[in-house]
Amino acid sequence: QQKVQQSPESLTVSEGAMASLNCTFSDGTSDNFRWYRQHSGKGLEVLVSIFSDGEKEEGRFTAHLNRASLHVSLHIREPQPSDSAVYLCAMSITNTGKLTFGDGTVLTVKP
Amino acid sequence: VTLLEQNPRWRLVPRGQAVNLRCILKNSQYPWMSWYQQDLQKQLQWLFTLRSPGDKEVKSLPGADYLATRVTDTELRLQVANMSQGRTLYCTCSADDEQYFGPGTRLTVL
Repeated sequence: QQKVQQSPESLTVSEGAMASLNCTFSDGTSDNFRWYRQHSGKGLEVLVSIFSDGEKEEGRFTAHLNRASLHVSLHIREPQPSDSAVYLCAMSITNTGKLTFGDGTVLTVKP
Repeated sequence: VTLLEQNPRWRLVPRGQAVNLRCILKNSQYPWMSWYQQDLQKQLQWLFTLRSPGDKEVKSLPGADYLATRVTDTELRLQVANMSQGRTLYCTCSADDEQYFGPGTRLTVL
């Protein structure tokens, strides 16, 4: 069964400084990878989905995927206090409906 | 655009009592429907994916027993029983590489 490890558990950055979050997975069976955000007491918001090695940008959010090293990352450019939330990476095999989630990174952006 | 409606949005559940949840799909472009649970430690876990009307599945996890039913092309139900710890249940819809979450139903044990 696929396992997903996120790091760091928590991260504090200053407004405007790049924030980088990481995710490693246990094997190469998944073929699509997503990053979600969850504000306190709210639902999940998809930020970026990536299916091929390399980079995918959605606004201020950029995901990097390297299947060979079993690693996907998320970089947030010019973070704002409103970006403070839990960030979750998830992966799945296409057409299964089943996402496997990491435990999340708590991001705090200080003004 | 709201793809999924969940009701109720929250419920206080007396210990030992079962509760029934509904999820309504608003866009048939994403026909696969699934349930996920998020525990009090915020860990998200897939429960079921039901593709066709009439599909039913059961699952027992630490803290709750589940029965999921795909009622129609647009309605998914979940019965939660023997719940000992609060949790939030999310319905999702998906197709190919896209998957979207509903707003969730938060359950609290009395």
